Amino acid sequence: DADVTQTPRNRITKTGKRIMLECSQTKGHDRMYWYRQDPGLGLQLIYYSFDVKDINKGEISDGYSVSRQAQAKFSLSLESAIPNQTALYFCATSDSGQVGQYNEQFFGPGTRLTVL
Amino acid sequence: LAKTTQPISMDSYEGQEVNITCSHNNIATNDYITWYQQFPSQGPRFIIQGYKTKVTNEVASLFIPADRKSSTLSLPRVSLSDTAVYYCLVGGPNSWGKLQFGAGTQVVVTP
Repeated sequence: DADVTQTPRNRITKTGKRIMLECSQTKGHDRMYWYRQDPGLGLQLIYYSFDVKDINKGEISDGYSVSRQAQAKFSLSLESAIPNQTALYFCATSDSGQVGQYNEQFFGPGTRLTVL
Repeated sequence: LAKTTQPISMDSYEGQEVNITCSHNNIATNDYITWYQQFPSQGPRFIIQGYKTKVTNEVASLFIPADRKSSTLSLPRVSLSDTAVYYCLVGGPNSWGKLQFGAGTQVVVTP
């Protein structure tokens, strides 16, 4: 079974609709992240959470909100979807580890979102 | 966060060694260099990380010169399955959660 799962894997919606993308992990990690990727581009950080009570904006948080329901769950919402939010969305997790220590991020399979 | 520059694409044949150089002129003293690999329609996967000199693992080697203003990811004897996008990230303890993925380098391996 995958350690980081995302639902749905594909979604087509219309402008103005509210959309929620969900991420679950079984790795026991404290930290979770949401990224978006546009065709031919790298990943842009939307939000990140270092624990259940700690949520931070990333590079491109406008138009998005998140909820960390539990250590293992981190949801991304588009309150009113618009066409330029059409992209591939990735959730990732990492362990907090020791202070100063880098802990690699483990990514989910992605959610392909199309906003018409 | 230090800005990184890497080639947009590289082509190679099976069995050759591929070297991808990343420039990071503004790297800070406590920054590390981290590389990820991304296959089509998948999330990135950590490959290797280093601070200085040379790091080697079962997948790749990472060469970092003394001034640390650049680094080179070396993929030995590539195969078709090494076709992917490779990302160079630079950051340290104050930015682990905010490392920026640039556009990456698209490596295409052909027979």
